[in-house]
Amino acid sequence: DIQMTQSPSSLSASVGDRVTITCRASQSISNYLNWYQQKPGKAPKLLIYLASNLQGGVPSRFSASGSGTDFTLTINRLQPEDFATYYCLQTYTTPYTFGQGTKLEIK
Amino acid sequence: QITLKESGPTLVKPTQTLTLTCTFSGFSLSTSGVGVGWIRQPPGKALEWLALIYWDDDQRYSPSVKSRLTITKDTSKNQVVLTMTNVDPVDTGTYYCAHRGVRGGVFDMWGQGTMVTVSS
Repeated sequence: DIQMTQSPSSLSASVGDRVTITCRASQSISNYLNWYQQKPGKAPKLLIYLASNLQGGVPSRFSASGSGTDFTLTINRLQPEDFATYYCLQTYTTPYTFGQGTKLEIK
Repeated sequence: QITLKESGPTLVKPTQTLTLTCTFSGFSLSTSGVGVGWIRQPPGKALEWLALIYWDDDQRYSPSVKSRLTITKDTSKNQVVLTMTNVDPVDTGTYYCAHRGVRGGVFDMWGQGTMVTVSS
């Protein structure tokens, strides 16, 4: 199975800050990496697909990059609604695997 | 507009069989490349992918629960059913179904989730 190591596990930031979350795969997954945002009591919401493609309706302050084994999600100019938990998911091969999540909290 | 909704029991006893149904609209599970997956989340923990069924009836499972899972589809009813046998309290959590699109195999739309508690 491909292991996804996500870091940090938690992060404190202020409105207006820029933050970066990383995900590392245990083997190359090409660009089959997706990012989700999850708020308490809600289903995950797709932000980024295939490593760097912004899902429709997602604000442009979200961006992502990477290929192979190393990936990053960047959120520019944090807004209050961005405080949530973020997950990466590899869909290169089954079993699909998620990262352990990054909880983004208000400082 | 794609929508999915999970349904099933909220409480199951240990060793029993859990059956969850995902009823969807806005797409057909007979369209090439499309799939429906199941993902769960124990309280306060991370997401875990469980199973996936493709338009051609190919089924994939997480090795950690493969021996206890069965995923099936009823294209005419727009439903996907996940069956988990011999449940344990560690199976407690919110279960989501999600649409797997053609684009990179990503889960682009999710149901609201259904909470299942395994307890005697």
